[in-house]
Amino acid sequence: GQQLNQSPQSMFIQEGEDVSMNCTSSSIFNTWLWYKQEPGEGPVLLIALYKAGELTSNGRLTAQFGITRKDSFLNISASIPSDVGIYFCAGRMDSSYKLIFGSGTRLLVRP
Amino acid sequence: NAGVTQTPKFQVLKTGQSMTLQCAQDMNHNSMYWYRQDPGMGLRLIYYSASEGTTDKGEVPNGYNVSRLNKREFSLRLESAAPSQTSVYFCASIVGGLAYNEQFFGPGTRLTVL
Repeated sequence: GQQLNQSPQSMFIQEGEDVSMNCTSSSIFNTWLWYKQEPGEGPVLLIALYKAGELTSNGRLTAQFGITRKDSFLNISASIPSDVGIYFCAGRMDSSYKLIFGSGTRLLVRP
Repeated sequence: NAGVTQTPKFQVLKTGQSMTLQCAQDMNHNSMYWYRQDPGMGLRLIYYSASEGTTDKGEVPNGYNVSRLNKREFSLRLESAAPSQTSVYFCASIVGGLAYNEQFFGPGTRLTVL
C-alpha cells in the first residue's frame, strides 16, 4: 500500500528547544494533516493543510504543505513537557476521506 | 456530547475466539472508520463506511467484518482471532461531504490475542 516516510522516529530534547519533523511520499497528496497521540488516547488533530505551499500555525506549532505536494513538515517552538507524545502525519490523495498515516515521531522533552 | 466512544477498552482473547468491537458517535457524522495501530507502523485502515448502509474495505481488511448498524454505530468483528490481530483498534468518524473537516478518533480498544 501507499507509504508515508516520517522522520525522525524519535526525539529526546531539552525543554525550550525547537523541534522539527517531516513526512515525505512518492505520491501526491491533496491534504496533509498532523495529529498528536498521548498514551492511552486516540490521535487528536493539530493542523490541517489543504493547499500546496500553505503555512499554518496553531500556537507554538507551525506546519507547511510542501510545494511539490509530496511532503510536509511540522515545527514546534520552545518545547514544554506537555508536548510529549507521538506525532503522526497523515495524507489524503483524493476526494474520499481515507487517510494514509506515517509511522509517527515519538517526542520526549526533558524538563 | 461524548464524541466517539469505543467498548471495550481492553480485551484478551484466545486464538480462535470471536468478538465484536463497538464504536458509537453522537456527532451526527456520516462516515465512520476502523483503524489498527501496531508499533512503528502508524494507523492502517481496516474498513470504512462512507454513509449509513455502505461499507468498504480499507488497506488491511482480511480477518475482519464490519456492520454499520445505524448512523451512530459501526462495529468491527473478529470471527476467529489470531495472534497477528493483537493491536490497538481505533474508530473514527467525520461529517463527510464538506470541505475542511477531519476525522475525530475514539480512545481505542487494546486487544491481545494469545
